[in-house]
Amino acid sequence: SYVLTQPPSASVAPGQTARITCEGYNVGSKSVHWYQQKPGQAPVLVVHDDSDRPSGIPERFSGSNSGNTATLTISRVEAGDEADFYCQVWDSSSDHPDFGGGTKLTVL
Amino acid sequence: QVQLVESGGGLVKPGGSLRLSCAASGFTFSDYYMTWIRQAPGKGLEWVSYISSGASTTYYADSVKGRFTISRDNAKNSLYLQMNSLRAEDTAVYYCARRVADYPSNWFDPWGQGTLVTVSS
Repeated sequence: SYVLTQPPSASVAPGQTARITCEGYNVGSKSVHWYQQKPGQAPVLVVHDDSDRPSGIPERFSGSNSGNTATLTISRVEAGDEADFYCQVWDSSSDHPDFGGGTKLTVL
Repeated sequence: QVQLVESGGGLVKPGGSLRLSCAASGFTFSDYYMTWIRQAPGKGLEWVSYISSGASTTYYADSVKGRFTISRDNAKNSLYLQMNSLRAEDTAVYYCARRVADYPSNWFDPWGQGTLVTVSS
């Protein structure tokens, strides 16, 4: 399996920018996808293919991926953004997905 | 709209069996690979199994191989997960999700609301 490492937690004040990282060996050569999971709810795709947003996802959510680190950036953070965030890649060698351990984002 | 609705979860004793179902609507079910992903209480996401659009290919995580069987009925727009020899560590919310493929990239969208499976004596 391909290992993806995320910080367990992150915090940000409302209106500021949150950056959540996802580290993996040469992850920049893979496509990284991000999911947001609010308490008691199912995960929702917020970014796919490093930086593409599905329809209905605010422009405040963006992504980047280079080297050994992929980053989900949330601009102008709102209280409603508080959630767990998971990164995911597809491991072509084993033909299955791998998820990061998740980052709990707290809005102060 | 695209929707996935799971059912069939519940409380089962260790060694027991359970069959989960996922009803799909709002898209051409037979065009997509489908996946089961689980989340143990307070833990992260763990992929369980996936099945090809025509059901010819199935794939399992090592943790469930030989105990779980994924299947689908394209005529009924339904996905299933037969879980046998259940263990306490199988306790989790089980989500079905549609796999979106843009080779070599694959992601999951949407997800169902999940169904809770509790394995306990």
